[in-house]
Amino acid sequence: DSGVTQTPKHLITATGQRVTLRCSPRSGDLSVYWYQQSLDQGLQFLIQYYNGEERAKGNILERFSAQQFPDLHSELNLSSLELGDSALYFCASSAGLAENTGELFFGEGSRLTVL
Amino acid sequence: AQSVAQPEDQVNVAEGNPLTVKCTYSVSGNPYLFWYVQYPNRGLQFLLKYITGDNLVKGSYGFEAEFNKSQTSFHLKKPSALVSDSALYFCAVRDIGADYKLSFGAGTTVTVRA
Repeated sequence: DSGVTQTPKHLITATGQRVTLRCSPRSGDLSVYWYQQSLDQGLQFLIQYYNGEERAKGNILERFSAQQFPDLHSELNLSSLELGDSALYFCASSAGLAENTGELFFGEGSRLTVL
Repeated sequence: AQSVAQPEDQVNVAEGNPLTVKCTYSVSGNPYLFWYVQYPNRGLQFLLKYITGDNLVKGSYGFEAEFNKSQTSFHLKKPSALVSDSALYFCAVRDIGADYKLSFGAGTTVTVRA
């Protein structure tokens, strides 16, 4: 158990809809990362938050947004969903920057299916 | 930008035989390199990392990796593979700068046959 919790584990929805994925990082971890895993794109970095502030942005679509709340949990919002958004979405967390040696702790993922 | 490449999509070995999963890297400066493993329907699990020091890094589940600066490689190895080692393996590199995010290779599927 990594200590990172993601909900829901599975989600099936229709094109054009909006969903929210939730992540609770390991206790004490300030950084949260979101990754998308699909068969054709592999594991793609989406976005990172550190202590509530956006830290880095990757290949995140404009239809997607995220935030990190004061209690450090994070949400990834996916809107105007398309078939191609079907993927496994991972959240990972890591310690504060000063003591960070790079290891990320991953949740079990949220599998999104868009029909 | 920092990047890693995993040249093999699949590796098949017999149980008890040595296992090697290849990774090459391209970085500016000193690399921070990692190996992760993903079992079916699970998240990624950290195996080991190289930051500095000894070129042979030991990790979880009997895995080790050899950092080779001249060949820009960071191959994952296990002397005697188990059927339970069958999984998807990712090599990763930490980006320079303040964001600390990891960039992952495409992954290598390892199948260990009994």
